[in-house]
Amino acid sequence: DVKVTQSSRYLVKRTGEKVFLECVQDMDHENMFWYRQDPGLGLRLIYFSYDVKMKEKGDIPEGYSVSREKKERFSLILESASTNQTSMYLCASSPTGGVEKLFFGSGTQLSVL
Amino acid sequence: SQQGEEDPQALSIQEGENATMNCSYKTSINNLQWYRQNSGRGLVHLILIRSNEREKHSGRLRVTLDTSKKSSSLLITASRAADTASYFCATDDNYGQNFVFGPGTRLSVLP
Repeated sequence: DVKVTQSSRYLVKRTGEKVFLECVQDMDHENMFWYRQDPGLGLRLIYFSYDVKMKEKGDIPEGYSVSREKKERFSLILESASTNQTSMYLCASSPTGGVEKLFFGSGTQLSVL
Repeated sequence: SQQGEEDPQALSIQEGENATMNCSYKTSINNLQWYRQNSGRGLVHLILIRSNEREKHSGRLRVTLDTSKKSSSLLITASRAADTASYFCATDDNYGQNFVFGPGTRLSVLP
C-alpha cells in the first residue's frame, strides 16, 4: 500500500517562528500536494508539485512556501507563523498521468500561539 | 474555482439504516470522487466515478452521478458504527490537474 508520512501529528509553535512540515511518500508518485483543512471550509489547496524542483501555487499560497528537492519529499514552510495559520495540514500524493486517486497522510495539527 | 458542496452538513442514523449524502458542483467535470475522514486523521479514497458513468458500486457503497443536474450521491447501505466519519466529495478543477473538496458531511452511526 502507498504510504504518505507526515513528520508530526501535533505541533505547537509561536507567532513569528519559521515552521517546517515534512511529507514523504514511498510509491514513486510524481504529484504531491499540501492542503489545509478548517472546520466548515473543507480542504483548500496551498501548493502542489508535479516534479522535483517544480511547484505551483494553489488557492491559498500566501504565507507559505514549499520545497521539493527529492521526488519522495515535499516540504511546506511557514516563513513567519501567524495565529491564522493554526489548522490541520494534510499532505497527499498521486501517480502521474493526471490527478485521480489521492493518497493522504494522517495530517499535522498545527497550533500557532 | 468550483467547489463540491455536500448536503446535509451532518447526519445521524441508527446502525443498520442506510445513509445518503449528496454533492453538488458548479461546472463540468471529468470525474468526481468520494473520500472518508475519521476524526483527526487523513482522508481515505472511497470511490471515483467518471463523467460518462451514472452509477458505481463498491461493497456497501453506491455512488450515482447526474451530470445534467451537476450532482452526485453517496449511499452507504446497512450502516455500522465504524462508518462514523466525515465524507467529502471532490471534483476535478477546470484544468483537470487538481481536485476541489467540499466542506463535507459528518455522519454519525449510533449503535
